[in-house]
Amino acid sequence: DSGVTQTPKHLITATGQRVTLRCSPRSGDLSVYWYQQSLDQGLQFLIQYYNGEERAKGNILERFSAQQFPDLHSELNLSSLELGDSALYFCASSFASGMNEQFFGPGTRLTVL
Amino acid sequence: LAKTTQPISMDSYEGQEVNITCSHNNIATNDYITWYQQFPSQGPRFIIQGYKTKVTNEVASLFIPADRKSSTLSLPRVSLSDTAVYYCLVGQAGTALIFGKGTTLSVSS
Repeated sequence: DSGVTQTPKHLITATGQRVTLRCSPRSGDLSVYWYQQSLDQGLQFLIQYYNGEERAKGNILERFSAQQFPDLHSELNLSSLELGDSALYFCASSFASGMNEQFFGPGTRLTVL
Repeated sequence: LAKTTQPISMDSYEGQEVNITCSHNNIATNDYITWYQQFPSQGPRFIIQGYKTKVTNEVASLFIPADRKSSTLSLPRVSLSDTAVYYCLVGQAGTALIFGKGTTLSVSS
């Protein structure tokens, strides 16, 4: 158990819908990272927040947005969902920003039908 | 942003030492080298991180030559439970983290 929690574990929805994935970092960690992993794309970095502010951005689609709240939990919002958005979404946390050890959560498996 | 190249797959037997090499020819001065392990349907797990020379912890060693254009993850005496995907990452604070395709290690008895 990494100490990072993600909810829900599974999510099944339809195309065009909007969903919110939630992540609670390890106690004391200030950075939160979001990743998408699909079979054909591998593990793709989406975005990083550090103490409430956006720190780094990967190839995150405009339909996707994220934020980190004052209590340091984070949410990833996915809208206008497409079939290709079906993937495992991982959240990770680390104490500081940068190349510190990241602790990954169990992931949320999103299925778009 | 330093790009990494690693073998797609490797095979080994239990008890052998496995070395996985990662190439990162355009590594920047402030870049660190980090390796992660991932089992199916689980999040990656940190293995080891280094900047130069050699780093060793309880599960692996990381060898980095002086020019830092490559690195080698060494797993001593692998077991069946070491079958996983291994990712080499190169980067620094504030930049996007690139995991790449990783190396699928298969350990047989």
